[in-house]
Amino acid sequence: EPEVTQTPSHQVTQMGQEVILRCVPISNHLYFYWYRQILGQKVEFLVSFYNNEISEKSEIFDDQFSVERPDGSNFTLKIRSTKLEDSAMYFCASLRDWTGTEAFFGQGTRLTVV
Amino acid sequence: AQSVSQHNHHVILSEAASLELGCNYSYGGTVNLFWYVQYPGQHLQLLLKYFSGDPLVKGIKGFEAEFIKSKFSFNLRKPSVQWSDTAEYFCAVNARGNGGSQGNLIFGKGTKLSVKP
Repeated sequence: EPEVTQTPSHQVTQMGQEVILRCVPISNHLYFYWYRQILGQKVEFLVSFYNNEISEKSEIFDDQFSVERPDGSNFTLKIRSTKLEDSAMYFCASLRDWTGTEAFFGQGTRLTVV
Repeated sequence: AQSVSQHNHHVILSEAASLELGCNYSYGGTVNLFWYVQYPGQHLQLLLKYFSGDPLVKGIKGFEAEFIKSKFSFNLRKPSVQWSDTAEYFCAVNARGNGGSQGNLIFGKGTKLSVKP
């Protein structure tokens, strides 16, 4: 069964450092997303990406965040200067299209900012 | 703005007990509805979904959910839980059609289910 893969599974970084979280969506999917889940809180939408551009972003997704699809397979989330409050589990998801399919989630990257 | 409410933060049941987890959403238009499950240490997995048709949907592992449009609800049920159902359950909604945020799933806060053997 095809799956969304994320690397690394756990990243520890110092405050102020840049991090890049990587995702490989399912190959024939067209819509890509990043969500995050702070420990003990709900899953929150960050950004959606379609046709090589951001289609929607939440208030959380400020100028410190950026996304890219540098080639045909990877989908990355960059946090330019990490803050303690960026510590969370980050989930990538992909969706094939709008004909009754659901989003598939990766296993997540646990980001710890120290 | 869309929002999703899950009424129970933590539910503790014994094996073989029946389960019902509440989910209400606020959005006036047409929605797609989902229940995801997150087992300890694992990623979100789809349990079931409702797009259209029969409002009673059946998912994996014996779960089902009923969409009641008049109540803006999509409660999750299972007649007899097992210890392996211990997990966190998330209800999610996204809007369809014009003005909807395609693919932007809005999640509830989640309900942690603990099943005692």
